Amino acid sequence: NAGVTQTPKFQVLKTGQSMTLQCAQDMNHEYMSWYRQDPGMGLRLIHYSVGAGITDQGEVPNGYNVSRSTTEDFPLRLLSAAPSQTSVYFCASSRLRGTDLNYGYTFGSGTRLTVV
Amino acid sequence: AQSVTQPDIHITVSEGASLELRCNYSYGATPYLFWYVQSPGQGLQLLLKYFSGDTLVQGIKGFEAEFKRSQSSFNLRKPSVHWSDAAEYFCATYGQNFVFGPGTRLSVLP
Repeated sequence: NAGVTQTPKFQVLKTGQSMTLQCAQDMNHEYMSWYRQDPGMGLRLIHYSVGAGITDQGEVPNGYNVSRSTTEDFPLRLLSAAPSQTSVYFCASSRLRGTDLNYGYTFGSGTRLTVV
Repeated sequence: AQSVTQPDIHITVSEGASLELRCNYSYGATPYLFWYVQSPGQGLQLLLKYFSGDTLVQGIKGFEAEFKRSQSSFNLRKPSVHWSDAAEYFCATYGQNFVFGPGTRLSVLP
């Protein structure tokens, strides 16, 4: 099925560990992004990409790295996990402009990360 | 800078009652405006969107929203709420990026 696939769905990390959250989309969307969702704060943009080889920081980028080597994949790396990074992470993709934007964002199902 | 506010953190309505969820945005130009719904443990689903034209837009699940430029608002409405509408609702804009409001949690009483 077409859409955004995130793995894993759940993860527990120890403080200081690193890991990569995977995100893949098969809709040929140029725009991909990562959000974290925390109670009462909505979704906050971590990093985004407007195409392969192009990434930029969002509102809360510290402690996270991204790369975009292909149109389909946009992994999010936690370099040294901290308890403050306990959150639900969503990957989303979209067309950038024009009538395709009518579809808004397509969201993955989320990754629930706990850092202990 | 873009921003979105949703003044109501939590709203409770009785099943069958009408609903209005408030959203205010800040953006220099006319933004693209969206409403999303998130059921517990799920991702976000697009309810409706506004880009231009008719300021009253219809969405899925019987929802509608009205864009009011003078008030910088894009409020979501439904004439009769069903128990299955209990969820969290997010207003969002797209200017340079997608920016989401903090969300409004809707509870529905039987």
